[in-house]
Amino acid sequence: SAVISQKPSRDICQRGTSLTIQCQVDSQVTMMFWYRQQPGQSLTLIATANQGSEATYESGFVIDKFPISRPNLTFSTLTVSNMSPEDSSIYLCSVWGFTEAFFGQGTRLTVV
Amino acid sequence: TQLLEQSPQFLSIQEGENLTVYCNSSSVFSSLQWYRQEPGEGPVLLVTVVTGGEVKKLKRLTFQFGDARKDSSLHITAAQPGDTGLYLCAGVNNAGNMLTFGGGTRLMVKP
Repeated sequence: SAVISQKPSRDICQRGTSLTIQCQVDSQVTMMFWYRQQPGQSLTLIATANQGSEATYESGFVIDKFPISRPNLTFSTLTVSNMSPEDSSIYLCSVWGFTEAFFGQGTRLTVV
Repeated sequence: TQLLEQSPQFLSIQEGENLTVYCNSSSVFSSLQWYRQEPGEGPVLLVTVVTGGEVKKLKRLTFQFGDARKDSSLHITAAQPGDTGLYLCAGVNNAGNMLTFGGGTRLMVKP
């Protein structure tokens, strides 16, 4: 199994600012995933982060808006840049643990 | 692109009722998983189905995988308020390291 610590758990931010979300895993993993989720709805994959290489972004998500760092095998950050109210959502990081996915508790972001 | 469609999107029932959630894929995944998510938490794995025709039971939850391995269902017997949550089906890719999620089913069980 894997234990994921994600922070902050929630934040309220002004439009035009940026927020960096941190994800710490208790074991070394090759791939880390960042998802966005509207409350009560399913998860949308933003990008896959591999250590030592640039993240791979899904359609509709770009690096300038959601820069990702992956400095080592246990840590990653996702930045939501130049925020607008449309970025209000829950952001989750995840890792694949051989047979199942493990998730952080999520960061609930509100942009005002 | 592999897609997973879940139905219904939302279900509100009384305690003690039975329900079924469906997950249909446009193609075959190596396996299919069901996750449950409660508010403020990340999804947690309930079950993995791999073989066509497979049936797995987890207390009052019964999971089925279609013979063609493109559809699955989750049946809950005698639902309880503790079953309330978001149920997600997810297909595992052929490399076995990535998920494609269905649209989710939000279940509310009223006492």
